[in-house]
Amino acid sequence: DTGVSQDPRHKITKRGQNVTFRCDPISEHNRLYWYRQTLGQGPEFLTYFQNEAQLEKSRLLSDRFSAERPKGSFSTLEIQRTEQGDSAMYLCASTSGASGYNEQFFGPGTRLTVL
Amino acid sequence: AQSVTQLDSQVPVFEEAPVELRCNYSSSVSVYLFWYVQYPNQGLQLLLKYLSGSTLVKGINGFEAEFNKSQTSFHLRKPSVHISDTAEYFCAGLIQGAQKLVFGQGTRLTINP
Repeated sequence: DTGVSQDPRHKITKRGQNVTFRCDPISEHNRLYWYRQTLGQGPEFLTYFQNEAQLEKSRLLSDRFSAERPKGSFSTLEIQRTEQGDSAMYLCASTSGASGYNEQFFGPGTRLTVL
Repeated sequence: AQSVTQLDSQVPVFEEAPVELRCNYSSSVSVYLFWYVQYPNQGLQLLLKYLSGSTLVKGINGFEAEFNKSQTSFHLRKPSVHISDTAEYFCAGLIQGAQKLVFGQGTRLTINP
């Protein structure tokens, strides 16, 4: 399978704990996006990388959130001191090229539940 | 406001009936527009996109959409739906001058036999 993969698929944690999610994009894709999707809503942009450079962060990404893409391949999204409001599906997408209108290929998502 | 609006949160239709899922975009969204489908427990998959040219865009699985600049709309249509079309459908647009998509709230399409 050469699609976008995300790990884990599900994560249940207690409030205040730290969690880290991983995204492996399609291998030749240089651009990687993170989105958050809550129940009944469409995905909301969080941040994106062009190779290893993080080029934009949404205001939704508070200082408890940090994302990295150290070698321009896989990416991690860490949430520190989780809150119940962080419960959501976290989606990763990748694309090639430098234009935002290229098709984004989405992974299956990581569903986070904060108790 | 930079937004994409899907006017219907749920659309129930009978199998083999036609369907239209409505999408409107604000002026601050560029005319690069997309429809994605999300099947249960799966990631989003691109159905079709409009970048320029013909205003009628054909996509996968028999879906098509029409870009209407005067009405700032990009409605999705299928002449005859199948049970397998049951899914959540998202309209999205590229923010003007940015490299990120803004999504509508989604429309849940339910096909009744």
